[in-house]
Amino acid sequence: DADVTQTPRNRITKTGKRIMLECSQTKGHDRMYWYRQDPGLGLRLIYYSFDVKDINKGEISDGYSVSRQAQAKFSLSLESAIPNQTALYFCASSGTGSAETQYFGPGTRLLVL
Amino acid sequence: ELKVEQNPLFLSMQEGKNYTIYCNYSTTSDRLYWYRQDPGKSLESLFVLLSNGAVKQEGRLMASLDTKARLSTLHITAAVHDLSATYFCAVGSSNTGKLIFGQGTTLQVKP
Repeated sequence: DADVTQTPRNRITKTGKRIMLECSQTKGHDRMYWYRQDPGLGLRLIYYSFDVKDINKGEISDGYSVSRQAQAKFSLSLESAIPNQTALYFCASSGTGSAETQYFGPGTRLLVL
Repeated sequence: ELKVEQNPLFLSMQEGKNYTIYCNYSTTSDRLYWYRQDPGKSLESLFVLLSNGAVKQEGRLMASLDTKARLSTLHITAAVHDLSATYFCAVGSSNTGKLIFGQGTTLQVKP
């Protein structure tokens, strides 16, 4: 089974709708992250959380919110979706050691019409 | 503000050839990562480089880090078709735990 899972894998929604993307990890990591990927722009950090009570904004947090329900779960919400939020969204997790890499989920492809 | 730039952004090469992807970053950092992404797939960690002069090799890929020049390279030796993918470098800090990614380099290896 995958260590980092995301649901749904694909989603089509309309402008103005509220949607939630969910992420779970079984690696026992404290740190979790949400990124979006757009062609030619690499990955950009939306929010990150170092533990259940610690949530921080990333580079592009406007229009998004998050919830860390448990160590293993980190959800991303779009309160009122707009077309320029059409992108590929990745969740990742990592430990806290000095050489820890981030492990990525399979991604959620979101289309906002 | 930390910025990460890769070049080239697209690379088409023949099998058997060598080439290098460059990753420049704008401020001091104590860790650099290389990831691979296959089309429609997630990101897979390739290398973590933690100190000046660090070099790591896996198969036909070799990554190095020069913290003084704020430069990392990913060298491809005798490319094969299976190496076709998009390669990202990402720069981070042990203090913040955040990673800033480059734009990615799409590598196409032709038979």
